Amino acid sequence: DTEVTQTPKHLVMGMTNKKSLKCEQHMGHRAMYWYKQKAKKPPELMFVYSYEKLSINESVPSRFSPECPNSSLLNLHLHALQPEDSALYLCASRLTGDHEQYFGPGTRLTVT
Amino acid sequence: GQQLNQSPQSMFIQEGEDVSMNCTSSSIFNTWLWYKQDPGEGPVLLIALYKAGELTSNGRLTAQFGITRKDSFLNISASIPSDVGIYFCAGVSGGSNYKLTFGKGTLLTVNP
Repeated sequence: DTEVTQTPKHLVMGMTNKKSLKCEQHMGHRAMYWYKQKAKKPPELMFVYSYEKLSINESVPSRFSPECPNSSLLNLHLHALQPEDSALYLCASRLTGDHEQYFGPGTRLTVT
Repeated sequence: GQQLNQSPQSMFIQEGEDVSMNCTSSSIFNTWLWYKQDPGEGPVLLIALYKAGELTSNGRLTAQFGITRKDSFLNISASIPSDVGIYFCAGVSGGSNYKLTFGKGTLLTVNP
């Protein structure tokens, strides 16, 4: 089983809203990732969690706030987003020591 | 930083034709990964390559890890309409500093 799940599938939010994206995996992967992807572009790394601790923040604006409550869950809290933040947000996970990274189906975010 | 050159950028082929795409880099990678992404979905891992010179098949897909560790190719034989999508290569570098570098993608269109 190499399944990473993400909810919601689609999200429309205003610039003053607060919302959260959720990601879950039960593969025992201790490395989890958030990516942002614009249309027809490769995914861009945002955050990396290793053993539930934030290990990489790729200079992401503070209106994106990640959280890893336990080894299976990863959240991305959104607040005061801009229209240019509209994109597909992908979660991924990896078994520590392996090189294969598995992606979830993504959340299509539209900021109005 | 590391960059991957993926080509071609797009391909338009007839059903039944074979397809080849490749990625080259100025840097050495430890692992090459090939993903396929359907519209609105997350990337799906197709093939992982771990050793220089390695040739791996997955059904109609064949991929090779270049002997210099700076390139990889993916072949699709006897294409079918469901092969349509964007194909991304990704190079893995580092051990404790694991990092995934994506190519810009190859958009494949298959005409029935």
